[in-house]
Amino acid sequence: GNSVTQMEGPVTLSEEAFLTINCTYTATGYPSLFWYVQYPGEGLQLLLKATKADDKGSNKGFEATYRKETTSFHLEKGSVQVSDSAVYFCALKAGGSYIPTFGRGTSLIVHP
Amino acid sequence: DAGVIQSPRHEVTEMGQEVTLRCKPISGHNSLFWYRQTMMRGLELLIYFNNNVPIDDSGMPEDRFSAKMPNASFSTLKIQPSEPRDSAVYFCASRKETDSNQPQHFGDGTRLSIL
Repeated sequence: GNSVTQMEGPVTLSEEAFLTINCTYTATGYPSLFWYVQYPGEGLQLLLKATKADDKGSNKGFEATYRKETTSFHLEKGSVQVSDSAVYFCALKAGGSYIPTFGRGTSLIVHP
Repeated sequence: DAGVIQSPRHEVTEMGQEVTLRCKPISGHNSLFWYRQTMMRGLELLIYFNNNVPIDDSGMPEDRFSAKMPNASFSTLKIQPSEPRDSAVYFCASRKETDSNQPQHFGDGTRLSIL
């Protein structure tokens, strides 16, 4: 079956530090990959996506590259801000399936 | 465009009571999902509707839970009778099934506390 594995949190960083949140997946076929962000008291919202191998999704300074050879979709940001504190979810949607598979989420805490 | 609208935002009730959560998906979206989020279990899919028809309800925990989608603009999730272990944040999400790359759009959730 399909699965998504994210690094355990919380990840705690100082403002302007470099961020990496690891995500690896198992899926049949060629899935689409997503990162969602959940701010406190809100629902998940799409941060970025990539639909085929070597695609790079980017938004708000965040980037992730679809690596088929390593089945990974790691989230990166060069300089985090306090306002980036949230929970980040990696997800996939495999072809032929209507139901996405989510990781457990990684909490990010950024200190001033 | 208005996003996915859920009501109520917060619900506190005593065990044994009936609880009804409501969701209005984004206009034009033909898929709807109900999720439950807890610290222990993370985000769990409860049920998925496509064109108002329940397609996958394998995540519904037990017979106390039921969900309906009488039309394209409204869905309910009902718990009867409620129990303290049902306390969680319940999310509704919708999507337009034009192709496999479309993301889900989530509401802000209903925070449910059963005393």
